[in-house]
Amino acid sequence: LAKTTQPISMDSYEGQEVNITCSHNNIATNDYITWYQQFPSQGPRFIIQGYKTKVTNEVASLFIPADRKSSTLSLPRVSLSDTAVYYCLVVRTSGTYKYIFGTGTRLKVLA
Amino acid sequence: DVKVTQSSRYLVKRTGEKVFLECVQDMDHENMFWYRQDPGLGLRLIYFSYDVKMKEKGDIPEGYSVSREKKERFSLILESASTNQTSMYLCASGGSRWEQFFGPGTRLTVL
Repeated sequence: LAKTTQPISMDSYEGQEVNITCSHNNIATNDYITWYQQFPSQGPRFIIQGYKTKVTNEVASLFIPADRKSSTLSLPRVSLSDTAVYYCLVVRTSGTYKYIFGTGTRLKVLA
Repeated sequence: DVKVTQSSRYLVKRTGEKVFLECVQDMDHENMFWYRQDPGLGLRLIYFSYDVKMKEKGDIPEGYSVSREKKERFSLILESASTNQTSMYLCASGGSRWEQFFGPGTRLTVL
């Protein structure tokens, strides 16, 4: 299953768009890409999932290029409350199920 | 709202003790998961279950076992706790493979 790598940390300012990229070089045909957000002392919370191209919901967009070897979570106009750790998770959905979380990106939003 | 509850937020045990971590979900989800979370290593899957009495090993099952006798309850068992099992343990449930709902976690310390 795809091993996932992410930047360890990022800083941004309020109101900016933030893009966090996850690399999953050996992703397989049956693998889906998901992203989670985690605040201190809480469990992760699902943000978005996708297979290819672009997915958008009320909080984020997910961009997946044609080769699917990476994905980018885009957070529009971040606020202080978006300070959290963001994880990508690659899920194999057929055959032997596998779940591989990345090590997370710590996003700090500055005023 | 989906609610995933874990039996304890903090737990201190001694080396060699048998430890039970309980997880209960209220959304009739088929899938349930146990992860451990360690600094610098992110979340790693220990076991998951896709149905009552069914279980699958994750990436780090050694030293752990699980039990799922009822759909809403998934237990993680440390047969003989060791100091290297000191960690944050997170339970999750989900109706789909990629959208998981996490509990608040149990911070286990093994002395």
